[in-house]
Amino acid sequence: AQTVTQSQPEMSVQEAETVTLSCTYDTSESDYYLFWYKQPPSRQMILVIRQEAYKQQNATENRFSVNFQKAAKSFSLKISDSQLGDAAMYFCAYIAGTASKLTFGTGTRLQVTL
Amino acid sequence: EAGVAQSPRYKIIEKRQSVAFWCNPISGHATLYWYQQILGQGPKLLIQFQNNGVVDDSQLPKDRFSAERLKGVDSTLKIQPAKLEDSAVYLCASSFYRTEAFFGQGTRLTVV
Repeated sequence: AQTVTQSQPEMSVQEAETVTLSCTYDTSESDYYLFWYKQPPSRQMILVIRQEAYKQQNATENRFSVNFQKAAKSFSLKISDSQLGDAAMYFCAYIAGTASKLTFGTGTRLQVTL
Repeated sequence: EAGVAQSPRYKIIEKRQSVAFWCNPISGHATLYWYQQILGQGPKLLIQFQNNGVVDDSQLPKDRFSAERLKGVDSTLKIQPAKLEDSAVYLCASSFYRTEAFFGQGTRLTVV
């Protein structure tokens, strides 16, 4: 079965500090894409960052970066210089296989404190 | 470009009633997903379309849920009859092909 595991139900970070959210996945496919989505209370899912499995270089998007460890099937998200607006649910997800099935983890709730 | 459109935003119905949700994906996106998200949980895939064909509906409760995608564009998701446990947010998303999915704002369904 293809699964995504987020072992941290909740995380907290102080404003301007750095936080890392963990994600592991399991797929038998060799070609897949990994994503981190943010879901604020407004509930619309917003793409934060994506990583192609065939690329060794870790993706970066402004204050957001990933640590992609393909052999370990690990895909963590680092948020630098955290801001109050970063507070939300964060979901790790991936697309694999020719059917392009998008599978989500259970989410990590991030709180940002002053 | 216009995003994924969903309606309605909110719906309250009594159990055993029927309800329908509508989704208009981003133009040109062949893949359309319907997810159910119960409060505090991650989205669960209900059905996935590729153009107007069903790719995956293994987690769709077919005795009460149905979905269609007309002409490979708009899609409707119907629940009949609704149960209390169907209370959730229903998310529609679309993607081009094996790329990131773009989501609508969702419909919050409350069954009383």
